[in-house]
Amino acid sequence: KNEVEQSPQNLTAQEGEFITINCSYSVGISALHWLQQHPGGGIVSLFMLSSGKKKHGRLIATINIQEKHSSLHITASHPRDSAVYICAVKTSGSRLTFGEGTQLTVNP
Amino acid sequence: GAGVSQSPRYKVAKRGQDVALRCDPISGHVSLFWYQQALGQGPEFLTYFQNEAQLDKSGLPSDRFFAERPEGSVSTLKIQRTQQEDSAVYLCASSLGEATGAFFGQGTRLTVV
Repeated sequence: KNEVEQSPQNLTAQEGEFITINCSYSVGISALHWLQQHPGGGIVSLFMLSSGKKKHGRLIATINIQEKHSSLHITASHPRDSAVYICAVKTSGSRLTFGEGTQLTVNP
Repeated sequence: GAGVSQSPRYKVAKRGQDVALRCDPISGHVSLFWYQQALGQGPEFLTYFQNEAQLDKSGLPSDRFFAERPEGSVSTLKIQRTQQEDSAVYLCASSLGEATGAFFGQGTRLTVV
């Protein structure tokens, strides 16, 4: 069992839909990252969370430390949101442990 | 530079060839990480530097993999006698410190033929 599990693996939505991607982890963490990866490999850090909730534009990230669970929400989704979304946790030391990613496709 | 820069962006190597991948982190960033991402999978940790010190190399898959950061800025990941299973995207990330977010480079896509 992976230390970081994401669901769903693949998600297809229509433009305008509200999207949720989930991340569960089984280890103690100091922080959790949500990352966006576009074709070609470039990774952009969306959020770094250690508690509560953060919002940036149409993106919202929440974390429940007790339940070891985080969610990434996208409101009013748009085709340009299509990408792989990756959850990564910072455990002991400084390394990040990554989930497998969620491939999101938003159709017009 | 403004971001983490990796070179080359693409590398095709013949099996058995040695390769060197370069990472220029954001100026002043203390922490530097190398990750390996196989096709369709999430990145996997390779090694971590704090300044010039390699504090964790537990993710390096074999002794053919070697990383260095001699002056605490630019880092090089070297793979000797490349094999087909080394084909992957190699990502470099840097951060100001342990408690801050990481910035990723575009990666180097290595294909071993």
